[in-house]
Amino acid sequence: SQTIHQWPATLVQPVGSPLSLECTVEGTSNPNLYWYRQAAGRGLQLLFYSVGIGQISSEVPQNLSASRPQDRQFILSSKKLLLSDSGFYLCAWRESYEQYFGPGTRLTVT
Amino acid sequence: SQQGEEDPQALSIQEGENATMNCSYKTSINNLQWYRQNSGRGLVHLILIRSNEREKHSGRLRVTLDTSKKSSSLLITASRAADTASYFCATDEVQGTYKYIFGTGTRLKVLA
Repeated sequence: SQTIHQWPATLVQPVGSPLSLECTVEGTSNPNLYWYRQAAGRGLQLLFYSVGIGQISSEVPQNLSASRPQDRQFILSSKKLLLSDSGFYLCAWRESYEQYFGPGTRLTVT
Repeated sequence: SQQGEEDPQALSIQEGENATMNCSYKTSINNLQWYRQNSGRGLVHLILIRSNEREKHSGRLRVTLDTSKKSSSLLITASRAADTASYFCATDEVQGTYKYIFGTGTRLKVLA
């Protein structure tokens, strides 16, 4: 069966520091992968999605970037974090029409 | 871009009662999905309804879709304390851009 992993589960980073969040999927090949951010008590904001290795579509211009170095690996990065980057980051993959979400990473920028 | 909106934003009911949540969207869709999110966790897919369907059931869940009104409802019957969570609708765009647009969610609290 397919599983999706995200790490770390929680992260506290100072303003201006770099960021790297990793997501990996097992049990499927060539998945569509997504990064979302969720502010406290709010809905999901789509940040990036990828339909294949090296193919990244950005939905929101900001200081975040994404990369897909391998078929089942999706990385979210930042060179310099802002306070507004705090939130709950969720990775998801898509099979047919359904999306399956990872456990999320809670990022607090201080 | 379209944005789903759920209402109410928050709902508090007693165990055993039914809970109804509504979702509205703005443009034509291929399908609409409902997800559940327990506090601090990832989302879990509940049910998908296609644009040519009007009603769908899964266990205690009943989803309706009215494409003429661009709205959907999720009914949870005989609610349990374990149903306490946030519920989101998500729509995909007809043009097949692989993107899903999530609503703002309804926070459901079921009191034991």
